[in-house]
Order: sequence, then structure tokens, then C-alpha cells
Amino acid sequence: QQPVQSPQAVILREGEDAVINCSSSKALYSVHWYRQKHGEAPVFLMILLKGGEQKGHEKISASFNEKKQQSSLYLTASQLSYSGTYFCGTNPNQGGKLIFGQGTELSVKP
Amino acid sequence: NAGVTQTPKFRILKIGQSMTLQCAQDMNHNYMYWYRQDPGMGLKLIYYSVGAGITDKGEVPNGYNVSRSTTEDFPLRLELAAPSQTSVYFCASSYKGDYGYTFGSGTRLTVV
Repeated sequence: QQPVQSPQAVILREGEDAVINCSSSKALYSVHWYRQKHGEAPVFLMILLKGGEQKGHEKISASFNEKKQQSSLYLTASQLSYSGTYFCGTNPNQGGKLIFGQGTELSVKP
Repeated sequence: NAGVTQTPKFRILKIGQSMTLQCAQDMNHNYMYWYRQDPGMGLKLIYYSVGAGITDKGEVPNGYNVSRSTTEDFPLRLELAAPSQTSVYFCASSYKGDYGYTFGSGTRLTVV
């Protein structure tokens, strides 16, 4: 079942912070986060695994609440380059086969 | 190191025609995936493979077929193209199941 992302869209000024949420109705083993710029392919940011292991990006962080089946992506001190659509992908089982959320469009203005 | 290569980048098909979208990766990744993305929407999984000779259906497999005869290649076959298959198709790969995906640059397909 498709995870639900919120908000659908957000506009920031450079230097502001943002949080993007991803919720699932199923228990999750892993959550991935990707960013897609217009007309380009999605780019991997981060993966969070059940049990707390986290792998990914330096300047962007994320949390994974297994009990609530939720993940949040934190973008701090946003830069113009952060603009794009952010997708979470979830998997209830170990190994492969992500189901993606509908995306959150982030616009960072000067 | 090319990563994930998709061909063609653009294609226009007539209703009822067939075609194969090519996907190749040179990273020795075991897992490969096909997604479609409709305008303004998220990514829907069509098929995936966990290794050569092994494929399985995703969320929206109808109207598509795949094969995985080698680790490197994972072609997607469209039979009897329909306007509903107009979309951008992304191929992706990952080293194992719980590693980040590397996406190809996509194939923009229009069925008229």
C-alpha cells in the first residue's frame, strides 16, 4: 500500500528549515528517501532500516519511528539546490521492492 | 563507470505497436527494477528482479513483460501499446535489497 507524504508542497526561503513526513499503514522494515529535480531521475539521499541503522547524506537527516510506521526527513538551513520533489519509498520486508509515496514538492527561494 | 543506461530516451508509438525498453547497469548490482512515472505523480513499480533468471510483478504489471538473462540487462517489453502507457519509464538497480537505488535517466514514451 502506498505511503502518504505530507505536506504535498512547501515553499522556503534560503536558510529556513523543513520537515517532510512519510506515513504507512503497514509495519515497515525500511524507508528510503530520494530527491528528483524537474526532468531528471530520482537521486538517492538516505535509507533507514528497522533497528535504527541509518545510511545516507551528510547535510540532510531523517528519523524512523517503527512503532508509528512513520519517517521524517529534516532539511536544515536550506539551499537553492535543495529544490525538487522528495519521495519516500517503503518496504515492509527485508530486501528490495520499494513502494513510493506521491512526493513532496519543495521550492527554495532566494 | 556509466551506472544505469536506458535506451531510447524518447519514443512515440502508435496504438497496438510493441517495443522493448532497454536497461543495462555496469555496477554488478543484483537487484533491478522498472518504474513508471505519470506527470506530477509518484513512481509505480512495474516489475523487479533479484537476480538473473528471477523476476516478479510489482504494482502495475499488466501490459508489460520482462526478462533477466544476465546480471547486467533488464529489458521491459510493451505489447500492444495503449494510450494509458504514455509515461516516463525509469529503470533502477541496487547492490542488494536494502541499499539505495541508482536510477537511469528515463525513457519518455508517448502512445498515440
